[in-house]
Amino acid sequence: DTAVSQTPKYLVTQMGNDKSIKCEQNLGHDTMYWYKQDSKKFLKIMFSYNNKELIINETVPNRFSPKSPDKAHLNLHINSLELGDSAVYFCASSPPRGRGTGELFFGEGSRLTVL
Amino acid sequence: GIQVEQSPPDLILQEGANSTLRCNFSDSVNNLQWFHQNPWGQLINLFYIPSGTKQNGRLSATTVATERYSLLYISSSQTTDSGVYFCAPSTQGGSEKLVFGKGMKLTVNP
Repeated sequence: DTAVSQTPKYLVTQMGNDKSIKCEQNLGHDTMYWYKQDSKKFLKIMFSYNNKELIINETVPNRFSPKSPDKAHLNLHINSLELGDSAVYFCASSPPRGRGTGELFFGEGSRLTVL
Repeated sequence: GIQVEQSPPDLILQEGANSTLRCNFSDSVNNLQWFHQNPWGQLINLFYIPSGTKQNGRLSATTVATERYSLLYISSSQTTDSGVYFCAPSTQGGSEKLVFGKGMKLTVNP
């Protein structure tokens, strides 16, 4: 039933490790996103994909690499994790323009803690 | 890019009170959404409201695009309304370039 689902919900890892977060949406949306929410609750977009094609890359370090195998999935891989990467990462999706009102739907978030 | 300012930054209410949250933005918008992040961290879309007024139960929202502000009204507040409320406008029609405000933390006490 979950519209936008992310796994894992919690991730605790050591500096220097590589980790991935997976996201899937069953809403039939064409556009998917990764957002980062810092400790002050500030939400900032990282990436956006439309139908598997990267359309937004907001000055994110290249240690972060999104991958979209199909339009229902958008995964985030992070290499060489740093302390500053600790945050909650939200996946989101929105319908294509002209279908629906362009609302954004979020997943439940994945809390990453780097020790 | 578009600047977003939300006020007040924090608000504490007793259950049953009404409140108004304000979002000012610096540019013409084609998209504006309000979100609620509950104490468990879930982000829920409340309204898509680039202009006009909408109501959903005890919540309503109004955007006056020509004057560059949007208001979220919460009537008869309940403890479940607690959390952080975000306004996110965009100069584009889709959700691709939404810019989130810093949020407004609402605490509703029983």
